[in-house]
Amino acid sequence: QVQLQESGPGLVKPSQTLSLTCTVSGDSIRRGRDNWSWIRQPAGRGLEWIGRLYAGGNTDYNPSVKSRVSISADTANNRFSLKMSSVTAADTAVYYCAREHSNGQHWLVFDYWGQGTLVSVSS
Amino acid sequence: DIVMTQTPLSLSVTPGQPASISCKSSQSLLYSDGQTYLYWYLQKPGQPPQLLIYGVFNRFSGVPDRFSGSGSGTDFTLEISRVEPEDVGIYYCMQSIQVPRTFGQGTKLEIE
Repeated sequence: QVQLQESGPGLVKPSQTLSLTCTVSGDSIRRGRDNWSWIRQPAGRGLEWIGRLYAGGNTDYNPSVKSRVSISADTANNRFSLKMSSVTAADTAVYYCAREHSNGQHWLVFDYWGQGTLVSVSS
Repeated sequence: DIVMTQTPLSLSVTPGQPASISCKSSQSLLYSDGQTYLYWYLQKPGQPPQLLIYGVFNRFSGVPDRFSGSGSGTDFTLEISRVEPEDVGIYYCMQSIQVPRTFGQGTKLEIE
């Protein structure tokens, strides 16, 4: 059973860097058929894709946050991380990590999600 | 970015009755590999979204067969043949043909 678990500070001060980690169990983040994404959801609002880490280590980012975001892998601990710099109140949201998986015929995009972690940006 | 537009934004349904949600994309989601990269998710209250449908009409593992997806190109539909109380939540469509992935605004399903 694949499980994802987000962790990190729940409160970040404006202009500082938000750092979150997603620990994966039941799968390897370096397996060639999976990619790993971060998605966020402000309270009462919709979903915004932030970016993804390919199994091979490359990344894609949403242009809306690209200049402030970095996603990286910690293969020794089978987890991946999100760093977002220069945060403002607009970055307050529940942050989810999720998996994209190929079954050989189809991409099952976001077939598994973490429970989400609320990050508030406030002084 | 590809804009995903859902209608309606909310609907109230009597248990046992059908429900239908439309999703339109600003560009075709048909890729050169012949697949169409349109997905449907349900976010139940207090939970992360869960995958319902991938590739327009394929039900994800464990999804009841009362859920069905259809459509092509830029116009897609999620149908629930007989709504049950556990179907309440917000339904989102999403495209993955292009980066950034983009979601529809969501459709809130309530039970009458």
